Amino acid sequence: AQTVTQSQPEMSVQEAETVTLSCTYDTSENNYYLFWYKQPPSRQMILVIRQEAYKQQNATENRFSVNFQKAAKSFSLKISDSQLGDTAMYFCATNRDDKIIFGKGTRLHILP
Amino acid sequence: KAGVTQTPRYLIKTRGQQVTLSCSPISGHRSVSWYQQTPGQGLQFLFEYFSETQRNKGNFPGRFSGRQFSNSRSEMNVSTLELGDSALYLCASSLARDGTDTQYFGPGTRLTVL
Repeated sequence: AQTVTQSQPEMSVQEAETVTLSCTYDTSENNYYLFWYKQPPSRQMILVIRQEAYKQQNATENRFSVNFQKAAKSFSLKISDSQLGDTAMYFCATNRDDKIIFGKGTRLHILP
Repeated sequence: KAGVTQTPRYLIKTRGQQVTLSCSPISGHRSVSWYQQTPGQGLQFLFEYFSETQRNKGNFPGRFSGRQFSNSRSEMNVSTLELGDSALYLCASSLARDGTDTQYFGPGTRLTVL
């Protein structure tokens, strides 16, 4: 069974708008971590945000924030005031059995 | 600190050949993981090395192997290449080996099998 599900294969939004990328996961870990990674076109994958499951407060990094719903096993990423440089593949991930499992990704296009 | 480096960046091989890819982690990182990225399957975990030992392995055939050296540099080998092995191969390094820590990715090696 797929551990991390990203239901939106591709999205497009206008520059300066707010966009939310969905992610649901399945885990049997007692304590686990959730991640959003960004892979810009032809550039290296980088961490956007990291959330520890036992922390109630949603993680934020500047314009990027998450909505972590532990009971629903949902971990969505919100990008506020989107910029052209946010165009990228976004991968949701979690740790399982001592390794990181990635979703299939959401390709996000920011339109001028 | 220098980032994760991978060599070569591009490779073209023919079916049946073998290939070796190299990854140098961030200084101080002892965990190196390898992933295969394809448009249809996303990122799939190949294996992870920590302190020269393979700690974890994904669901790939035995044609895929790797190793890690005492300086934490890692190599990945694919023997008897198949067309379906065409992919971007990413390596990532981290401090922890349990998947809880941030992974720092290299630029990848784009392998094309003809």
